[in-house]
Amino acid sequence: KQEVTQIPAALSVPEGENLVLNCSFTDSAIYNLQWFRQDPGKGLTSLLLIQSSQREQTSGRLNASLDKSSGRSTLYIAASQPGDSATYLCAVRINQAGTALIFGKGTTLSVSS
Amino acid sequence: NAGVTQTPKFRILKIGQSMTLQCTQDMNHNYMYWYRQDPGMGLKLIYYSVGAGITDKGEVPNGYNVSRSTTEDFPLRLELAAPSQTSVYFCASSYGGDQNTEAFFGQGTRLTVV
Repeated sequence: KQEVTQIPAALSVPEGENLVLNCSFTDSAIYNLQWFRQDPGKGLTSLLLIQSSQREQTSGRLNASLDKSSGRSTLYIAASQPGDSATYLCAVRINQAGTALIFGKGTTLSVSS
Repeated sequence: NAGVTQTPKFRILKIGQSMTLQCTQDMNHNYMYWYRQDPGMGLKLIYYSVGAGITDKGEVPNGYNVSRSTTEDFPLRLELAAPSQTSVYFCASSYGGDQNTEAFFGQGTRLTVV
């Protein structure tokens, strides 16, 4: 059974720091991995999608990498801002027809000014 | 283009009552999903559908029912509500289920059963 783990569960940093959020999964047979952002009381916003054949994806200050063989992904946030404060969720779609996303529990990020 | 729309946003139910959580998407997506999110537990899949007329159970289907009569709509029915169903419910959709597929989520329905 695929399991997704995110470490750390919570992270507090001062504004301007570069930071890395970690996601690990137990079964490397995945179609893709998706990073989401969730603000308190809100829905999930898709940040980046990395297909199984890709190594990384970038969007603005965000860079996500994928190492399927080791079952790991990282989300790198450059020059963090208070507006980046949110919970970041990692989810994998396993390599099986008709499957949905399997989520980690998330990392709650707080960026102080 | 509204994306995935869920109604209602909030609801309080009494134990034993029933209700339907509505979900509609305007992206012509084939796949639709229902998740529940409990504090500290992550999102758990309740039911999913790969197309109109086709539904399947996820990880936590007990106490829920779904139907998919159209591509756009995927309602979730709660029968005989119980306090254990207090949660935030999210509907999501995607075009397909392969490596190119990106999932999109609604804003959620916060349900309290008292």
